[in-house]
Amino acid sequence: DGGITQSPKYLFRKEGQNVTLSCEQNLNHDAMYWYRQDPGQGLRLIYYSQIVNDFQKGDIAEGYSVSREKKESFPLTVTSAQKNPTAFYLCASSWAGLPGQPQHFGDGTRLSIL
Amino acid sequence: DAKTTQPTSMDCAEGRAANLPCNHSTISGNEYVYWYRQIHSQGPQYIIHGLKNNETNEMASLIITEDRKSSTLILPHATLRDTAVYYCIVRLRSYNTDKLIFGTGTRLQVFP
Repeated sequence: DGGITQSPKYLFRKEGQNVTLSCEQNLNHDAMYWYRQDPGQGLRLIYYSQIVNDFQKGDIAEGYSVSREKKESFPLTVTSAQKNPTAFYLCASSWAGLPGQPQHFGDGTRLSIL
Repeated sequence: DAKTTQPTSMDCAEGRAANLPCNHSTISGNEYVYWYRQIHSQGPQYIIHGLKNNETNEMASLIITEDRKSSTLILPHATLRDTAVYYCIVRLRSYNTDKLIFGTGTRLQVFP
């Protein structure tokens, strides 16, 4: 089955702790994205990557970090500097360089603070 | 900074067509319009997208006005499983950014 896999589905973080959310895709897509969704709101872009070993900040990158060492993987680390990390995190991927190609999403990770 | 405007909620009877409107009056000539839907606690599901021409796929039809300032998503025969939040999105792409700008969407309730 081709698709985007996010894990874990639920994650709990203690104060001062860094946590890493996994995102893997087997669609051979070039670009990958991380979004955050708060209750009753639309998605906001955290980071995105168009190619391996390169990524750009989105609108709300502060307190987050990413890496893109492999084409199929784009993990997101929520650092202790992110003061309000409780949210629904969504990973997406798409073909890059071709106009109009849609982004496809995983099923998300819900992060909560203990 | 959403670039689209949608009604907050809509109802539709099962089996009838659901017509979801969207205004995107500031859309640029090379920007596509995308439609996604989201069921609670799941990731957004891609439905359809278009640039200028009307589009149809197995899920829905997309009607874009000639001036491209608005569009309508049509679900031809709504079912209870189509109950979801529907997002009309313009994709912002420039030399240093590539993102989907989500608004708050339209909550579609399909009733028996």
